[in-house]
Amino acid sequence: SQQGEEDPQALSIQEGENATMNCSYKTSINNLQWYRQNSGRGLVHLILIRSNEREKHSGRLRVTLDTSKKSSSLLITASRAADTASYFCATGPSGGYQKVTFGTGTKLQVIP
Amino acid sequence: DTGVSQDPRHKITKRGQNVTFRCDPISEHNRLYWYRQTLGQGPEFLTYFQNEAQLEKSRLLSDRFSAERPKGSFSTLEIQRTEQGDSAMYLCAIRASSTDTQYFGPGTRLTVL
Repeated sequence: SQQGEEDPQALSIQEGENATMNCSYKTSINNLQWYRQNSGRGLVHLILIRSNEREKHSGRLRVTLDTSKKSSSLLITASRAADTASYFCATGPSGGYQKVTFGTGTKLQVIP
Repeated sequence: DTGVSQDPRHKITKRGQNVTFRCDPISEHNRLYWYRQTLGQGPEFLTYFQNEAQLEKSRLLSDRFSAERPKGSFSTLEIQRTEQGDSAMYLCAIRASSTDTQYFGPGTRLTVL
């Protein structure tokens, strides 16, 4: 079963604009990861944020985590056509074997 | 390059046939996971290995599915008597020991006709 839900399901923006994707989840977590997937391809890990962190940056990516609201957001600044892909959040539980549970994904289209 | 290769990348089979997929981590990782992804959905957990021990299996893994990791390095996932509902992308991932990050292979896309 899917733990998280991304919002929006689809997003279309012009190149150069910022893209924001949100993820909500249900149970307590140890960490939250964001992945990118180009059509028909494997998943590329973007960033991991731990439950005791509130914000993390990597290049043009900014991730926030609000554990009280059980939500996270991924911001891509100055988007490029190459950012066109599906983006998934994945939560790692507080215990157990650390299998990540994926959300349903946001399909981002960046128009040149 | 995520350090995980999968073979084959694509597999087309007829209903009722058996198929086997292979996952090869480039370097030693004691934690290995299999996921399944259907069109338009996020990946769903199937099973987890720590070294050669299979420690967790999802309810998605019916009796027709079996996974092994005989020497704690590569892993295989076999599906017997395939059904059209088995059509999906099968993804293998390893977990870096120093972080909780999971790195995925390119996947095997299975089409059951």
